[in-house]
Amino acid sequence: GAVVSQHPSRVICKSGTSVKIECRSLDFQATTMFWYRQFPKKSLMLMATSNEGSKATYEQGVEKDKFLINHASLTLSTLTVTSAHPEDSSFYICSAESGGTTQYFGPGTRLTVT
Amino acid sequence: GQNIDQPTEMTATEGAIVQINCTYQTSGFNGLFWYQQHAGEAPTFLSYNVLDGLEEKGRFSSFLSRSKGYSYLLLKELQMKDSASYLCAVRGRTGGGNKLTFGTGTQLKVEL
Repeated sequence: GAVVSQHPSRVICKSGTSVKIECRSLDFQATTMFWYRQFPKKSLMLMATSNEGSKATYEQGVEKDKFLINHASLTLSTLTVTSAHPEDSSFYICSAESGGTTQYFGPGTRLTVT
Repeated sequence: GQNIDQPTEMTATEGAIVQINCTYQTSGFNGLFWYQQHAGEAPTFLSYNVLDGLEEKGRFSSFLSRSKGYSYLLLKELQMKDSASYLCAVRGRTGGGNKLTFGTGTQLKVEL
């Protein structure tokens, strides 16, 4: 149980374009989903917390207009990187929890902006 | 805010026992997690401690002392596949909501 999927697993896009990453909880309803960013050999940095049906709460320093988060249902959250630039290249990971204590992580999305 | 410290790297021998320490400072403690992360993959949940003491789960055990702001992850009968990064994460109430703050991770290398 507690499986979280992400799509796509890898994406390469050109500078200036937008990329959407999907995060789905497959066998449970996620009241809260989290989006993290991880640089090579670094730890996970929380970008935002999203609750179904409400606006995401962004961490300090994260541009909400650049990283659009939509949590339309209890099993799906999306992160859209708008007008991507090379410095946005990173490993993006989502996690989900169902009102309990444990966050379960998706497999991650490797974004490369050229 | 929250501050989490763990060693950057550790090396151990197959079949041995290794202890990975984590110290933290937080305002509003609500649990400590250990995750395992292999390179290029997402973290997988290992253990959760919210009360003082030892939690044992197979070859993995995790200990918490809230008064000392200290936890450790104990791995027994090490296997080569245990080579990975081990992340200590603290759940806190800072800023509203129960968010996880991660340490930088301890890269464990298991050798023959």
